[in-house]
Amino acid sequence: AQKITQTQPGMFVQEKEAVTLDCTYDTSDQSYGLFWYKQPSSGEMIFLIYQGSYDEQNATEGRYSLNFQKARKSANLVISASQLGDSAMYFCAMKANAGGTSYGKLTFGQGTILTVHP
Amino acid sequence: DAGVIQSPRHEVTEMGQEVTLRCKPISGHNSLFWYRQTMMRGLELLIYFNNNVPIDDSGMPEDRFSAKMPNASFSTLKIQPSEPRDSAVYFCASSLVGQPKQFFGPGTRLTVL
Repeated sequence: AQKITQTQPGMFVQEKEAVTLDCTYDTSDQSYGLFWYKQPSSGEMIFLIYQGSYDEQNATEGRYSLNFQKARKSANLVISASQLGDSAMYFCAMKANAGGTSYGKLTFGQGTILTVHP
Repeated sequence: DAGVIQSPRHEVTEMGQEVTLRCKPISGHNSLFWYRQTMMRGLELLIYFNNNVPIDDSGMPEDRFSAKMPNASFSTLKIQPSEPRDSAVYFCASSLVGQPKQFFGPGTRLTVL
């Protein structure tokens, strides 16, 4: 079974500063993917970034980067130069990539509410 | 490009009534997922299809829930009879088989009175 843990129910950051949202995971699958989604107050789920378990480099997408530490089973999201529009709920998720019992299925953490202050 | 389309966006019904939620995946996508989001349980997968075939329905809470995908461009999630504890936001997502990224629809907010 897969499990995602987000230990920060809420985080605050000043506009233009960087913030790290924590995510740890547990899985018995050898090949898996880690994701971050953003859910603003409007409710939609917006894909931010993806990291494969065999990717040697940390994923980056614009102001988002994923700090992947495989041995520690952590996949923290780093948002640089925070903007007011970054205020939202952020979900970490994972799924098996091939052949695993959870193939195709996304397992989500409980989420972290990020508030960006002006 | 059109994203995943869900209808209705909001549904309010009374306990015991049948509810049907609809989803149109992104054209060309061959995996479709139904998720439910509640405050208590967070986001959880209900069922997913590959090439219109149900692959994993272990998340379907009980027999009152059923899902179909009659063709590649349409899926339904039906609750009959509905109960107040079914109140949640139901998301549909689609992807290409073998591709990691799932695209979510805007969700249907269901309220069962």
